[in-house]
Order: sequence, then C-alpha cells, then structure tokens
Amino acid sequence: GQNIDQPTEMTATEGAIVQINCTYQTSGFNGLFWYQQHAGEAPTFLSYNVLDGLEEKGRFSSFLSRSKGYSYLLLKELQMKDSASYLCAVMDSNYQLIWGAGTKLIIKP
Amino acid sequence: GAVVSQHPSWVICKSGTSVKIECRSLDFQATTMFWYRQFPKQSLMLMATSNEGSKATYEQGVEKDKFLINHASLTLSTLTVTSAHPEDSSFYICSALPIAGASYNEQFFGPGTRLTVL
Repeated sequence: GQNIDQPTEMTATEGAIVQINCTYQTSGFNGLFWYQQHAGEAPTFLSYNVLDGLEEKGRFSSFLSRSKGYSYLLLKELQMKDSASYLCAVMDSNYQLIWGAGTKLIIKP
Repeated sequence: GAVVSQHPSWVICKSGTSVKIECRSLDFQATTMFWYRQFPKQSLMLMATSNEGSKATYEQGVEKDKFLINHASLTLSTLTVTSAHPEDSSFYICSALPIAGASYNEQFFGPGTRLTVL
C-alpha cells in the first residue's frame, strides 16, 4: 500500500531551526510537496521537489532523496506565526496526491 | 496567483437535509478538481476527482450517491452532500489543477467549507 510517515508533533523555540522529516512509499513518484496548514484553514503550498537535492526558498528549504524515499522541510529563524501543521504529500503515478497525517509544529517564545 | 474560492465557508444544517458546496477557480481554468474531507487532527482524505464534462471518480469507501459531484464548467465544481447526518460533519476542501501554466502539477486549494450537521 501507499504510506507517508511524518512525526505527529514537534516543538521548537522562536528564532531556532527545526527539521520535519517525511518518509514515503508510493506507487510511482511525480514529486513531493510540502504544505502549511493553520487550524481551520486550507493548506497553502510551500515547496515542491521532484529531483534529489535541496530547494531553498527564503526561510524554508526542502530536501529530497528519491532512493531513500525521504524528504525533510527545514524552517529557519522560526517565528510564532510558523506554528501550524506541516503536511507532506507525494504525487503518485496517477498524479494523485497521497497525504501524510501532518506534523503539528509548536513554537515557544 | 491562482485563486480558488469555496462557498459557503461554513454551514450548519439539520440531519436529513442536503447541502451544496461550490468550488470555483477564479482566474484560471481547471479540467480537474479534487474534493477532500478532513476530520479534526487528521490529514486530508481524497473523496473524489472531478473532471469537467465527465463523471467523477470516487475513492474507495466514498458513496457516490451520497456525495454528488458536478463539474459543469472549467471553473466550477459542486459537491452536494445528500441526506446529511452528524457523521458527515467535517471540513471539506476542494483543489483545482490548472490546465496550463505551472511546470508541475500543483493543486491550488480553496479555503475550505466547515459543515456541521445537527
């Protein structure tokens, strides 16, 4: 079956760095997405990786290793507004998104 | 950027009634729209894939006669929850796949519809 695993919850301090890991097993691979979702709101797009390596976008970076079925989202200079759930999703061979359960990130002052 | 709207943003209804949720792509055309359901503290669950001009494709376990989907144009898809019951209370989110533009198949999400069935 298809499976996306990510930690349920993480806690970090304002101004620090946090890495959220995601491992996946899917039927086919057409890219991996990271989304941010605040409570009661729809997901917003953060990043997309389809080739191995690191993609940097401001304070956020995302890494992919297809051979290991592994990705991480790196958040730097954490701000209180970064408190949210972070969803890892993989697009399978049918171009459908397979979603992880999300990682709730709690930022403490 | 690409914008997707949903209407209504929240709805409360009595058990047994039907509720229609609209999903519109405001500044782009989408041949494919997706309907998701999300229960509290859980991830998004794909309910169905809506294709303009053809029947929707439902995921396993989703009753097509209960969740009616109509994708009548390249900018509008509707989800009708028929004879809603309290267990249908959830956050319903749609997303749209642009025909062209993005170099990858990025879905643009609507803001979601909170359905509460009493």
